[in-house]
Amino acid sequence: DGGITQSPKYLFRKEGQNVTLSCEQNLNHDAMYWYRQDPGQGLRLIYYSQIVNDFQKGDIAEGYSVSREKKESFPLTVTSAQKNPTAFYLCASMAAATTEAFFGQGTRLTVV
Amino acid sequence: RKEVEQDPGPFNVPEGATVAFNCTYSNSASQSFFWYRQDCRKEPKLLMSVYSSGNEDGRFTAQLNRASQYISLLIRDSKLSDSATYLCVVNIGGYSTLTFGKGTMLLVSP
Repeated sequence: DGGITQSPKYLFRKEGQNVTLSCEQNLNHDAMYWYRQDPGQGLRLIYYSQIVNDFQKGDIAEGYSVSREKKESFPLTVTSAQKNPTAFYLCASMAAATTEAFFGQGTRLTVV
Repeated sequence: RKEVEQDPGPFNVPEGATVAFNCTYSNSASQSFFWYRQDCRKEPKLLMSVYSSGNEDGRFTAQLNRASQYISLLIRDSKLSDSATYLCVVNIGGYSTLTFGKGTMLLVSP
């Protein structure tokens, strides 16, 4: 069953800790994206990758890092430098032919 | 000017009503257009792509007006299950990043 899997669904982080959010897809899509959504707000782009071993900063990359060592995987690390990390994080991948994007179920990160 | 603008609503309609949402975009080079549906605390899900000739999927009709740079979504015979936030999404082409509107909330009541 093809799709995008994000884990965990809920994540709690202590101040000063780094945490890594997982995103895996088996859709054979080249492009993958990380977005952040705050309550009542639209989606904001954190990072994106169009090909393995390459990625670009989005609009709000500060305090985040990514890697793209495999086509299927695009993990996001929320570092201690991110001052307000509590949010809903969404990973997406895009089909080249249609440019339609498909999302994982999201990870809800809370700083405690 | 915001890149993709939508009326945030909420649009409150009774079951069976017809409701229409509009969305305007600022980049005239935009090539692909979509409507996504997002339920509360869930991920966005693709509702339909929007083609230049317009397209229909059951009770949903999407239209694109390139000259005026707006996209519309018409929902006929609204159901309670249509209650959600509808996101307008624009892509300037290829793997270029998608630009999301903030969404329009629809509430369908019995």
